[in-house]
Amino acid sequence: EVQLVESGGGLVQPGSSLKVSCVASGFTFSSYVIHWFRQAPENGIEWLAYITSDSANTHYAETVRGRFTISRDNAKNTVDMQLSSLRSEDTAMYFCARESSGVGFDYWGQGVMVTVSS
Amino acid sequence: DIVMTQGALPNPVPSGESASITCQSSKSLLHSNGKTYLNWYLQRPGQSPHLLIYWMSTRASGVSDRFSGSGSGTDFTLKISSVEAEDVGVYYCQQFLEYPLTFGSGTKLEIK
Repeated sequence: EVQLVESGGGLVQPGSSLKVSCVASGFTFSSYVIHWFRQAPENGIEWLAYITSDSANTHYAETVRGRFTISRDNAKNTVDMQLSSLRSEDTAMYFCARESSGVGFDYWGQGVMVTVSS
Repeated sequence: DIVMTQGALPNPVPSGESASITCQSSKSLLHSNGKTYLNWYLQRPGQSPHLLIYWMSTRASGVSDRFSGSGSGTDFTLKISSVEAEDVGVYYCQQFLEYPLTFGSGTKLEIK
């Protein structure tokens, strides 16, 4: 069974950093591009970043470029995203998802909540 | 960035009736390869999004044939025939043509 499980969320102060992680199982992790999304409370879905299967390429949304960093470890079936210089507007549920190449996002994690507040 | 605009539903929709959700993109999603890069997702309450339709009209694996997608390069419709209780949630369209990937604001479906 394909599974993606996020962890690492929590309550942090503005300006601080946090790492969220996504652990995958049930498929050949090293063959897939992985993306991160977020959804603020009662809001829509925002795409944040992706990392290719071999880590050769990453791409970020303008809203997080320079503050968030995505990375992966294929030996551990894990994709991390380091969140830095956090702002109140970064408060959201963060999801990782597997890209079915050229199709869409066929598996999503259950999400991890990040709250930025003083 | 490509802006995705979704229409609303006249909620609640009576069980067994059909429902159509519209989505409009600010740029044609038709690629030179002939595919239209428009996806539909359902997010049930308290859950993560679930892929329903890709390439505008292709149902994802395991998705009921009550769901169908259609449209042109910029105007799209998701039709749900004979809505059921399990269809409740928020439906999102999403463009997969170019980055940044963008979603519509969502259309809520309630069942009567």
